[in-house]
Order: sequence, then structure tokens, then C-alpha cells
Amino acid sequence: GENVEQHPSTLSVQEGDSAVIKCTYSDSASNYFPWYKQELGKGPQLIIDIRSNVGEKKDQRIAVTLNKTAKHFSLHITETQPEDSAVYFCAAGGYSGGGADGLTFGKGTHLIIQP
Amino acid sequence: DSGVTQTPKHLITATGQRVTLRCSPRSGDLSVYWYQQSLDQGLQFLIQYYNGEERAKGNILERFSAQQFPDLHSELNLSSLELGDSALYFCASRAAGGGDTQYFGPGTRLTVL
Repeated sequence: GENVEQHPSTLSVQEGDSAVIKCTYSDSASNYFPWYKQELGKGPQLIIDIRSNVGEKKDQRIAVTLNKTAKHFSLHITETQPEDSAVYFCAAGGYSGGGADGLTFGKGTHLIIQP
Repeated sequence: DSGVTQTPKHLITATGQRVTLRCSPRSGDLSVYWYQQSLDQGLQFLIQYYNGEERAKGNILERFSAQQFPDLHSELNLSSLELGDSALYFCASRAAGGGDTQYFGPGTRLTVL
């Protein structure tokens, strides 16, 4: 089955600086790569996603890049703000049978924005 | 607010007991996914239903089962509970007409004493 590795487990950056979180996946059949943000006491919330036919996607301060050959994808957050502090999860998924499979998640990165 | 609702928010029970967790997907979503989140295992996919039928299984124990009803709400049944079953259980739903996004509910925190 799919295995997703995520690094680092904790990332502390100064407010206004950029943060980068990296993930690798093992199953070349995976073709959907979402990133979720989870705040304390809440469910994961999608912040950005990318399909395998796209190399990069950007949404304001957030961008995701995908390297299919190397089987890795990264989340980039620029101009970090205190409200960006949370746990971020990468995930990988594919399609089989009649629809999208369940997602395989990385272990998470605790992002701390220092004022 | 994702539009996915889960009840109860918290559940405390004893080893050996059985509990039922309930999930209502976003209006119109036909797919429901169940996930377990624990400190040691992280977020793990358990099972998926689409329009009442089981579609995919992940790391779901035999003591656990689920179903999706005609009104599309889903229930996750956990039996012969063990201390290690203490975790957050999330339900997610996905739109019917394609699209990949899974929208997660707020979760049910299960504590087994």
C-alpha cells in the first residue's frame, strides 16, 4: 500500500518568513495530493491540493509543487502570519473501482510562527 | 464549518463495550469516508461508502463496522472496545459529481477506560 513520509515534524519560523514542508510517497498510482491544516480541537481543513498532471499550484500565500519522477511534493507558505500556526498534513490518494480511494496521510508538521 | 456533522462530540466508555458514531455528510455528497486519528498511528483511513455501498477498506479492524443509510448518513460501530481504540474518529464526505476534495467533520473523541 501507499506510504507517505513528511518532514519536518516541527517547524518554527519568524513571522513574515517562509515555511516549507516536504513529503514523499511510494505508490506511483497515487495521483491526488492534498494538504490539510488542523487546528486544535478541529477536523482537518483542506488548504490546497494538486493532481499528478500538474507540477505546481498557487493560491495567494500558499503553493504546492509536485515532482512525479522523484515522488515528492512540497507545501510553501510565504509571508507567514500567527494564524498559520497549526498542524499541517500532506496526503496521497488515487482512484480504484468506482471512485476516489481513502487518503494516506503523513505524520504531520507542527508549524509554529514566532512573533 | 465544512458542512459535515458528527455526533457525539465526546464519548467515554469502558473496555469491552460497543459504541456507535454518527456522521451526516454535506448536502448532496454521496461518498463518506471514516478515519481514525491517534498519537501513535496518526490519521488512518478506515473505510469508504458510496451511495450506501462499501467501496474501499483501509486499516479497519474486524471489531469495527460501518454502514451508510438511504438518507446518506453513516454510522461507525466499534465493538469489544480496547484501551487502544481511544482516538479521534473523523468522517469526511466528497462531492458526487467528481472532484477530489474530502471535507472533514469536527470529529468524535472516543475515550475507552
